[in-house]
Amino acid sequence: QKEVEQNSGPLSVPEGAIASLNCTYSDRGSQSFFWYRQYSGKSPELIMFIYSNGDKEDGRFTAQLNKASQYVSLLIRDSQPSDSATYLCAVKRSSASKIIFGSGTRLSIRP
Amino acid sequence: DTAVSQTPKYLVTQMGNDKSIKCEQNLGHDTMYWYKQDSKKFLKIMFSYNNKELIINETVPNRFSPKSPDKAHLNLHINSLELGDSAVYFCASSPTGGGAVDTQYFGPGTRLTVL
Repeated sequence: QKEVEQNSGPLSVPEGAIASLNCTYSDRGSQSFFWYRQYSGKSPELIMFIYSNGDKEDGRFTAQLNKASQYVSLLIRDSQPSDSATYLCAVKRSSASKIIFGSGTRLSIRP
Repeated sequence: DTAVSQTPKYLVTQMGNDKSIKCEQNLGHDTMYWYKQDSKKFLKIMFSYNNKELIINETVPNRFSPKSPDKAHLNLHINSLELGDSAVYFCASSPTGGGAVDTQYFGPGTRLTVL
């Protein structure tokens, strides 16, 4: 079982709709959770981090964390073509300094 | 202005050669990393240095040797390059090395192609 699992996609969503990206992790000791966006040929950039159960909102982005189910998701409201990218989920234990990345979900927003 | 910079951006070389990639950050961060991203986009940590000290050394062939002359620089030297080393190598830095919240700032990447 991979430590951080994501559906590779591509996930195709119409412009203006909500895109929902999901991630599961295997280490129950994980404390911090991150979503990075990576455009083709570019480096990953942080969109959001979350470490408490529940929802965290930032503009059009909402991160949701459920530690009991070992599940973290990212919702993108009012999807725009510029949101088309690969989204990487990453997980970290508080006692270690290593972040484990998932293999990413490719999101495509169709006009 | 660039926060994390890497050189070169592209590197094409023959099998068996030795090459180096350089990384510099001007963010004042204590921790720097090297990641390898393969063709399937899987981003895997290789090494991490905190204030010039090696703190993470993943299962990486010893042909790969990181060097941190100071906390703003982390270089990666690769000996006897193999076809499987072809990938994009990202340098990253973060302000803390062990806290629960640890945002990583990535460099632009170095695309290494071994022929």
